[in-house]
Amino acid sequence: AQSVTQLDSQVPVFEEAPVELRCNYSSSVSVYLFWYVQYPNQGLQLLLKYLSGSTLVESINGFEAEFNKSQTSFHLRKPSVHISDTAEYFCAVSEGGGADGLTFGKGTHLIIQP
Amino acid sequence: DTEVTQTPKHLVMGMTNKKSLKCEQHMGHRAMYWYKQKAKKPPELMFVYSYEKLSINESVPSRFSPECPNSSLLNLHLHALQPEDSALYLCASSQGSPWKGYTFGSGTRLTVV
Repeated sequence: AQSVTQLDSQVPVFEEAPVELRCNYSSSVSVYLFWYVQYPNQGLQLLLKYLSGSTLVESINGFEAEFNKSQTSFHLRKPSVHISDTAEYFCAVSEGGGADGLTFGKGTHLIIQP
Repeated sequence: DTEVTQTPKHLVMGMTNKKSLKCEQHMGHRAMYWYKQKAKKPPELMFVYSYEKLSINESVPSRFSPECPNSSLLNLHLHALQPEDSALYLCASSQGSPWKGYTFGSGTRLTVV
């Protein structure tokens, strides 16, 4: 069975500073990894996903994540954060090739301080 | 259309009421999902429908009854709920594999009184 660990429940960062949100997974088979963002009182929006190929994946809003198989990690990074990045960030894993659904980590609340 | 639409956005119901949550997508996705999200917690998978058939039921109490009338619609019928069932209920869809990811709706915030 798969599982996801997000090591930090809350990360405070000053505006324009870099940030890294950590995610580790556990699975006995190949996995598909995702980062979702949830703004207050909203649903989940896909930030980026790793399925195969290049281990560095990028999103259109400046976030990137690197898949590291040996460390079973998929950390999310942004070189310079903005106030609007304040949100809850969920790392998620899907194990199967079919419609198995996602298993989420507990989430990391990113707090941007002016 | 690249959205998953959920209605209603908010719902308050008594413990003896019967209500339904509705989810709709027109992306041709063949898999649809219900998740439950309590405050400050991650979403938890409840049900999965694949090609309009229930494929996963994560041991959800029978007071929650899913229904998939066609490939675009997913309902969640609610009956005799408890206050602890108050949560954000999220619907999602996918093409039946992780390759294109999962698209989530904005959710129905349910309060049971």
